[in-house]
Amino acid sequence: DIQMTQSPASLSASLEEIVTITCQASQDIGNWLSWYQQKPGKSPQLLIYGATSLADGVPSRFSGSRSGTQYSLKISRLQVEDIGIYYCLQAYSANTFGAGTKLELK
Amino acid sequence: QVNLLQSGAALVKPGASVKLSCKASGYTFTDYYIHWVKQSHGKSLEWIGYINPNSGYTNYNEKFKSKATLTVDKSTNTAYMELSRLTSEDSATYYCTRDYPGPFAYWGQGTLVTVSS
Repeated sequence: DIQMTQSPASLSASLEEIVTITCQASQDIGNWLSWYQQKPGKSPQLLIYGATSLADGVPSRFSGSRSGTQYSLKISRLQVEDIGIYYCLQAYSANTFGAGTKLELK
Repeated sequence: QVNLLQSGAALVKPGASVKLSCKASGYTFTDYYIHWVKQSHGKSLEWIGYINPNSGYTNYNEKFKSKATLTVDKSTNTAYMELSRLTSEDSATYYCTRDYPGPFAYWGQGTLVTVSS
């Protein structure tokens, strides 16, 4: 099974700050990596797919990148509405999610 | 617009079964797989499996092969997931979700299943 190691588990950041969350895949998954945001009591929402493609309607301050088997989600200028839990997903083989990153305001 | 409307919360007894529904609208139902995802309270997400609404073909996460059964009714554009031999470990919110563009691009609102006597 492919394991996704997501870090950090929690993160406290200030408004307008740059935030980066990473996922490390246990093996090569190519660009089969997506990022999701989940707000309390809501369903997850797709932010990034194919490692770097922005989903429809997602603000351009969100971006995704890849370096080998490490994937990153960057929020360029943190806004209040970005608070929530972020998950990565590998869809290369038998879809596996990361453990999640809880993003809070400092 | 794409919409996935799930059935309401369920309270079920240990050892029983429950069947959840996911009614799709706003697109051609048979064009895209429907996946199911489990989220235990305060925990991450687990992929259960998917069904091809056109052919009925299913693919399950090994962990859920003896727990979940996925079916569809093309006449009503509805996907179903039946969970059997329920225990407290099955208490969770279950989501249906559709691919494209991108994996799990659209999500239902979730169904909370509580297993309790």
